[in-house]
Amino acid sequence: DAGVTQSPTHLIKTRGQQVTLRCSPKSGHDTVSWYQQALGQGPQFIFQYYEEEERQRGNFPDRFSGHQFPNYSSELNVNALLLGDSALYLCASSLMDATNEKLFFGSGTQLSVL
Amino acid sequence: GDSVTQMEGPVTLSEEAFLTINCTYTATGYPSLFWYVQYPGEGLQLLLKATKADDKGSNKGFEATYRKETTSFHLEKGSVQVSDSAVYFCALIRTSGTYKYIFGTGTRLKVLA
Repeated sequence: DAGVTQSPTHLIKTRGQQVTLRCSPKSGHDTVSWYQQALGQGPQFIFQYYEEEERQRGNFPDRFSGHQFPNYSSELNVNALLLGDSALYLCASSLMDATNEKLFFGSGTQLSVL
Repeated sequence: GDSVTQMEGPVTLSEEAFLTINCTYTATGYPSLFWYVQYPGEGLQLLLKATKADDKGSNKGFEATYRKETTSFHLEKGSVQVSDSAVYFCALIRTSGTYKYIFGTGTRLKVLA
């Protein structure tokens, strides 16, 4: 049973560019959340997708957008990249049940903006 | 708003030493509390959780008790191993309304043989 998979594992971009990160949730999971983890910090919630809609959003600008596909996989898009967007981006999947508590994380995509 | 505060690391211990990593939280209502662990090059893994006051979560020799009166959820292990070297994150999630996790900044643990 494959866990949460993310691609690519590493990415280097320059300021002003756009990037797309991809995530396949754990088999059987229907909800995908994205987190940004800056160096030495804890993960910060970006947004959550369920039934192909953004259900919740953290304190991130509109440059961060996402999508969820019918097979529950998801993409995170970041436009007009800034140096401060350099971070590890983590995808987490879960089941949108009554508690929605347990998250399964992928290994992340390390984004470097030069 | 909700927040989680962890003791700063790194924490360096010898093998078989006793471990405590402090975690306190601020939240409205009655959140569920978690410890996640991140090994080098990997994503976070759930280590243990507690969903109500006085609950004790435990896994792999690690324990943490939900203390509502002190708003704390300290992680403990009686005898650490080199393989426990990782970054540990305390987190909370509210059990009603929104379901977004709030994570602490993480505490790096290094265990020496």
